[in-house]
Amino acid sequence: EAGVAQSPRYKIIEKRQSVAFWCNPISGHATLYWYQQILGQGPKLLIQFQNNGVVDDSQLPKDRFSAERLKGVDSTLKIQPAKLEDSAVYLCASSLAGGGPYQSSYNEQFFGPGTRLTVL
Amino acid sequence: DAKTTQPTSMDCAEGRAANLPCNHSTISGNEYVYWYRQIHSQGPQYIIHGLKNNETNEMASLIITEDRKSSTLILPHATLRDTAVYYCIVREDTPLVFGKGTRLSVIA
Repeated sequence: EAGVAQSPRYKIIEKRQSVAFWCNPISGHATLYWYQQILGQGPKLLIQFQNNGVVDDSQLPKDRFSAERLKGVDSTLKIQPAKLEDSAVYLCASSLAGGGPYQSSYNEQFFGPGTRLTVL
Repeated sequence: DAKTTQPTSMDCAEGRAANLPCNHSTISGNEYVYWYRQIHSQGPQYIIHGLKNNETNEMASLIITEDRKSSTLILPHATLRDTAVYYCIVREDTPLVFGKGTRLSVIA
């Protein structure tokens, strides 16, 4: 089974520029997540989609970050304008369904390889 | 904030069992204990989860104390490919909250 695909793998931009990341989840997975992982820390959830609706975006800096999943399949995460502190790995994950942990096969999150963003 | 406490790093000899501890003294009755790991330059990978009974799968075993305030992830025969950061997470129906995890180094 194909895993979660992300592109690009690496991106270098200057501060105040814009950048976009793309994610294609595992086929049939209803839930999609974007995480930010700063060097030396664990991943932090930015936004969670269930199909094409937003479930949780409480930690998304909405003044500069936006995300969409228009057709309930692939998703894009955009930063505009970027700041130095946005340098991080951006991870996309998907699961068959969101919600509780009672059915592990439904809630296991599969992660993509990430996009490493460097803001100069 | 993460609800768990883990050692920053551990070493393990190749072929020996790796025992990774996790403290979660404030765990509530409906919260599960999850373990993920992250190999360098890869995304996190699910390992195992449990509520109160011990669990075992093809990757690892999870031992949860009777009071559920701590748990141990056991890799029975560690290999060099098990070198990674291991995250212990407690959750019920909430997003995964990753702490800094334990960096396990398996040494030949």
